[in-house]
Amino acid sequence: QIQLVQSGPELKKPGESVKISCKASGYTFTDYAMHWVKQAPGKGLKWMGWINTYTGKPTYADDFKGRFVFSLEASASTANLQISNLKNEDTATYFCARWAGKDWYFDFWGPGTMVTVSS
Amino acid sequence: DVVMTQTPPSLSVAIGQSVSISCKSSQSLVYSDGKTYLHWLLQSPGQSPKLLIYQVSNLGSGVPDRFSGTGSQKDFTLKISRVEAEDLGVYYCVQATHFPLTFGSGTKLEIK
Repeated sequence: QIQLVQSGPELKKPGESVKISCKASGYTFTDYAMHWVKQAPGKGLKWMGWINTYTGKPTYADDFKGRFVFSLEASASTANLQISNLKNEDTATYFCARWAGKDWYFDFWGPGTMVTVSS
Repeated sequence: DVVMTQTPPSLSVAIGQSVSISCKSSQSLVYSDGKTYLHWLLQSPGQSPKLLIYQVSNLGSGVPDRFSGTGSQKDFTLKISRVEAEDLGVYYCVQATHFPLTFGSGTKLEIK
């Protein structure tokens, strides 16, 4: 069965970096793009961007250009999100979500990774 | 960016009642291929979001037919017939027609 397994919660200080992983199983990893979505505590969903899992090309929403990097370990069917120079407002749960190809919707979601930034 | 306006922000309903949630977009969501990439998600408490309906009216896999979606252009509705206890959570619309993808602010459904 299709699964997206994300890495565990992180507690970081402002200015540090964090890397979150999303390991896919149950399908051919490179056949489906992976998206990232942010949810601040008690807030709604915000789209961060996506990565083409075949070519490795990332695309970022404007608010997530600069400190955010999407990458792949394709041999391990894993997508990664790295955030550098962490700020308090990066405190959130980050979800990876599989993109259902030609129908353009998220068909499977990871459980989310909570990142807390606090001094 | 396309603004997605969801109403109401919250609902409290009894089991067995029917409810509707509205989602209006600031631009038409019809893409150049003629399709409308407006979808509905449910985020149950403590869970990740789950697909309910894609492209306005198509049920996601395993989604009961108590859920239905209608609408066109800029005006969309999610209807839940015969609400069950498991339906509680936050409902989001999301558009994928225009970059960047944008979500509605959510509608919280509570069970009376």
